[in-house]
Amino acid sequence: DVKVTQSSRYLVKRTGEKVFLECVQDMDHENMFWYRQDPGLGLRLIYFSYDVKMKEKGDIPEGYSVSREKKERFSLILESASTNQTSMYLCASSSGLGLTNTGELFFGEGSRLTVL
Amino acid sequence: QQQVKQSPQSLIVQKGGISIINCAYENTAFDYFPWYQQFPGKGPALLIAIRPDVSEKKEGRFTISFNKSAKQFSLHIMDSQPGDSATYFCAAPRAYGNKLVFGAGTILRVKS
Repeated sequence: DVKVTQSSRYLVKRTGEKVFLECVQDMDHENMFWYRQDPGLGLRLIYFSYDVKMKEKGDIPEGYSVSREKKERFSLILESASTNQTSMYLCASSSGLGLTNTGELFFGEGSRLTVL
Repeated sequence: QQQVKQSPQSLIVQKGGISIINCAYENTAFDYFPWYQQFPGKGPALLIAIRPDVSEKKEGRFTISFNKSAKQFSLHIMDSQPGDSATYFCAAPRAYGNKLVFGAGTILRVKS
């Protein structure tokens, strides 16, 4: 079974703090994603990585950065956390590009971040 | 920005009834159109997906209907069970790149 592990399930941080959310996948997937989930807004893509050290901005990258130094690990960084970044963050991975893309994403269980 | 419009936002169905969730998409790649199911405290997981060159796909009690001309697709859950209570997301492939656009989600509650 594919496993995507998010190291922190619940975090509480103060405004202005730097926050690291870590994600590891064990299926040698090329693609990794960070989504943000908010009620009524669905899953919104923050950043996407299709290879080590490669990244693309998603729909809502402002206030976030990412790091992918190893194929299995994709980190989301909030340089200076703000209250409007209180949310559920979901990491996902998938294999293949183009015609091999089945649309199947494998998600972690999420990291619920509260910024006070 | 590409969108997928999903309705209803929430749905209450009696046990044994039919649950229907609808999605409409804009310009997209010709690829897979998946539905994801999310239980509380868990990440979403792929439930069922359809290629747009077919009009319907059925897996057990779950059926996707696809209308390419109308740019709409829907999920039907037959004989809905309390264990089906979850949040359901439709998704469409983006026009460019190996990424999906998700709908806003539907919270389904099946009453026993």
